[in-house]
Amino acid sequence: EPEVTQTPSHQVTQMGQEVILRCVPISNHLYFYWYRQILGQKVEFLVSFYNNEISEKSEIFDDQFSVERPDGSNFTLKIRSTKLEDSAMYFCAAGDMYEQYFGPGTRLTVT
Amino acid sequence: RKEVEQDPGPFNVPEGATVAFNCTYSNSASQSFFWYRQDCRKEPKLLMSVYSSGNEDGRFTAQLNRASQYISLLIRDSKLSDSATYLCVVNRYSSASKIIFGSGTRLSIRP
Repeated sequence: EPEVTQTPSHQVTQMGQEVILRCVPISNHLYFYWYRQILGQKVEFLVSFYNNEISEKSEIFDDQFSVERPDGSNFTLKIRSTKLEDSAMYFCAAGDMYEQYFGPGTRLTVT
Repeated sequence: RKEVEQDPGPFNVPEGATVAFNCTYSNSASQSFFWYRQDCRKEPKLLMSVYSSGNEDGRFTAQLNRASQYISLLIRDSKLSDSATYLCVVNRYSSASKIIFGSGTRLSIRP
């Protein structure tokens, strides 16, 4: 099974600060995704990324969020000004249109 | 109505039992279907894709009924290691790829 790595494993930040979450898919997959999971809740789709651009985003993915794949390997999620409610587990996934492989996640805690 | 609905459980069954999970989806445009498992505080892991013809992988059998918009997962001869939350996932293709997760059904296998 392809391996997706994410860093950091845990990030603590203060409200209003910017955070960048990183993902490295180790494969030749073409689709990349970010999801979040608030503790005790379901996994929620944030954004999909294909051919170096966003292909779809959810209503959660507002102007505070951005994604990029600057060097062809790292895939990043930036939250410009974090809010308390951004505290969650953020999962990166890579795959094709049919199957996805998830990274271990970054736990983001906003204080 | 939620786009993907699952019985939240928990299902508490003895080792060796057969257990079945159901999932319904509301959008008839949905085109691909999956079961994932998620262990506590871990990432979702793909268990199997679900096809109209039904598919089996060892002790696991998945079925799709497009007419009823219903997906099922059957686990035979359950093991302690099957204890996890089982997530029903639905994908609507467009040029974008929007993936919807159900809230999951928690399964606990007792010795």
